[in-house]
Amino acid sequence: QLQLQESGPGLVKPSETLSLTCTVSGDSLSSSTYYWGWIRQPPGKGLEWIGSISYSGNTYYDPSLKSRVTISVDTSKNQFSLKLTSVTAADTAVYYCARRGDRGFGEFPLDYWGQGTLVTVSS
Amino acid sequence: DIQMTQSPSSLSASVGDRVTITCRASQGITNSLAWYQQKPGKAPKLLLYAASRLESGVPSRFSGSASGTDYTLTISSLQPEDFATYYCQQYYSTPLYTFGQGTKLEIK
Repeated sequence: QLQLQESGPGLVKPSETLSLTCTVSGDSLSSSTYYWGWIRQPPGKGLEWIGSISYSGNTYYDPSLKSRVTISVDTSKNQFSLKLTSVTAADTAVYYCARRGDRGFGEFPLDYWGQGTLVTVSS
Repeated sequence: DIQMTQSPSSLSASVGDRVTITCRASQGITNSLAWYQQKPGKAPKLLLYAASRLESGVPSRFSGSASGTDYTLTISSLQPEDFATYYCQQYYSTPLYTFGQGTKLEIK
């Protein structure tokens, strides 16, 4: 059974860099053709897609965050990571990692999600 | 960028009611649409994809349909466990995604 688990600091100071890691178990990133992504949810608000990465390292970012976001993959550790620079209180959110599934015929919903981790930006 | 406009933002209903939630895409997305259910403190759960295909294990009271750029999620007979927030998401522009704003389904 595929599982994803987010990890990283729960508190980040303004202007610093938010760093999170998603550890994947039950599937190997290096042998997978799936995409892996990050989504966030500010308290009491909706879901916001941040970006995705392929097993080979191709990345795609939301245009509104592109200048501050880096997503990377470490296939040796079966992990992928998120870095968000110059954070402000507006970046306070629950951050989820997820897998872009492949249901065939061009159907690619997000089918597996981590449990999410709350990151608060505060001094 | 593809925008997804979801309505209503909130909805009150009773157990046994039939409810519908709608999502409108800003351009054609050829049914590349998923619906998710999210309960408080939990990650979203995939319900349907390809606008109308039920994910494995999801009860058949959930269904989806499409008409042009309008997509609808229907719950035929609400059960107590269905009270949650629902999101649509387009993956036409995968691996770029867009979510709708969400619909909070509350008990009347």
